[in-house]
Amino acid sequence: EVPLVESGGGLVQPGGSLRLSCAVSGFTFSSSWMSWVRQAPGRGLEWVALIKYDGSQEYYVDSVKGRFTISRDNTKNSLYLQMNSLRAEDTAVYYCARDPDWGAMDYWGQGTLVTVSS
Amino acid sequence: DVVVTQSPLSLPVTLGQPASISCRSSQSLEHSDGNTYLHWFQQRPGQSPRRLIYKVSNRDSGVPDRFSGSGSGTEFTLKISRVEAEDVGVYYCMQGRHWPFTFGQGTKLEIK
Repeated sequence: EVPLVESGGGLVQPGGSLRLSCAVSGFTFSSSWMSWVRQAPGRGLEWVALIKYDGSQEYYVDSVKGRFTISRDNTKNSLYLQMNSLRAEDTAVYYCARDPDWGAMDYWGQGTLVTVSS
Repeated sequence: DVVVTQSPLSLPVTLGQPASISCRSSQSLEHSDGNTYLHWFQQRPGQSPRRLIYKVSNRDSGVPDRFSGSGSGTEFTLKISRVEAEDVGVYYCMQGRHWPFTFGQGTKLEIK
């Protein structure tokens, strides 16, 4: 059983927006820091964003600052990534992951593909 | 940003033989809290990444003991004592000491 399930990916035009969701089960979401990591087709992993368990702190890679927003709803055991002003270089599989200890991501979802193209 | 450099990028290995991957960071990954935030992940073909080792040398539950991690400061190593067929995939090191977190380029392990 996979404790994290991403959804919301798809095809979007440059400049468009998309909201990814990550449904969590199997661990205490409300006490877990969470990250988003992406992987462009045929490329390596890139960490995107991190959010504290109560949503009070957020961290981003520079390339998405001001365009992406990580958020969570602990009442729904859900993590989100709001992506605005999308660019072709944002095309990737996006994974959500539990991050218990500064990058030591122990649970990963199966990923959701975002394609930015006209 | 902290640059994390892995070598080699391609690693052909004969079954049963050892393998070693180097990971170097452009800044020390040691924190004043006494921890060193360097982690290793495995990504098998068509699968999501999986954590193997966290904070340099702590092997995850279910990870075979043929995997081991070592190092300090800016230089780290992942070793596989005897490669098995199920080890095929890409291995990434990642630093969580400095913002933003950064991954190495990945090392593709294949069976020779």
